[in-house]
Amino acid sequence: DTAVSQTPKYLVTQMGNDKSIKCEQNLGHDTMYWYKQDSKKFLKIMFSYNNKELIINETVPNRFSPKSPDKAHLNLHINSLELGDSAVYFCASSQRQTGGYTFGSGTRLTVV
Amino acid sequence: KQEVTQIPAALSVPEGENLVLNCSFTDSAIYNLQWFRQDPGKGLTSLLLIQSSQREQTSGRLNASLDKSSGRSTLYIAASQPGDSATYLCAVKGSQGNLIFGKGTKLSVKP
Repeated sequence: DTAVSQTPKYLVTQMGNDKSIKCEQNLGHDTMYWYKQDSKKFLKIMFSYNNKELIINETVPNRFSPKSPDKAHLNLHINSLELGDSAVYFCASSQRQTGGYTFGSGTRLTVV
Repeated sequence: KQEVTQIPAALSVPEGENLVLNCSFTDSAIYNLQWFRQDPGKGLTSLLLIQSSQREQTSGRLNASLDKSSGRSTLYIAASQPGDSATYLCAVKGSQGNLIFGKGTKLSVKP
């Protein structure tokens, strides 16, 4: 009955590889997000999708590509991974505008 | 551009003390403000959500206030316990629907 679930929880991979992180929400929210938490623990938005439409695309390298097959899923694909991509990636959902956010438990990505 | 500031960055108190965490934001055009708790190595747990039309919200020992005109919010924790030790994050929801976070206050409650 997890509200926002993301997989995998941990991901260790070599530089240059391509990897994906999956996210699903069962709250019926219309908007989903990807946030990145860096080594200093600061959370910053990467992407936002509303009903499968890209709403926000912050200054993120184009090696990062979000994909939303339906409004309950938002996946993050990362090409040609670099050491600097190591971080914790959080998926979240909300009802756009007045809704509060619900976050997934995070994916700790380590690039070696 | 919206900026969120949290003061203090870290706080250490003895068990049983009442405490206040502060959050300020630069643009008052927000939909809501949300307080989260993050334990080390864990995800974010929502504590309180205050809509822009509201002044405060309460949940158990927690009370959050919002003064949109002055760009301030406070999180009051009554009778603190060691289990309250965590990082507390304040975030405002702007016109695009995205949450903008402060850098957090790391709270340590000593037994």
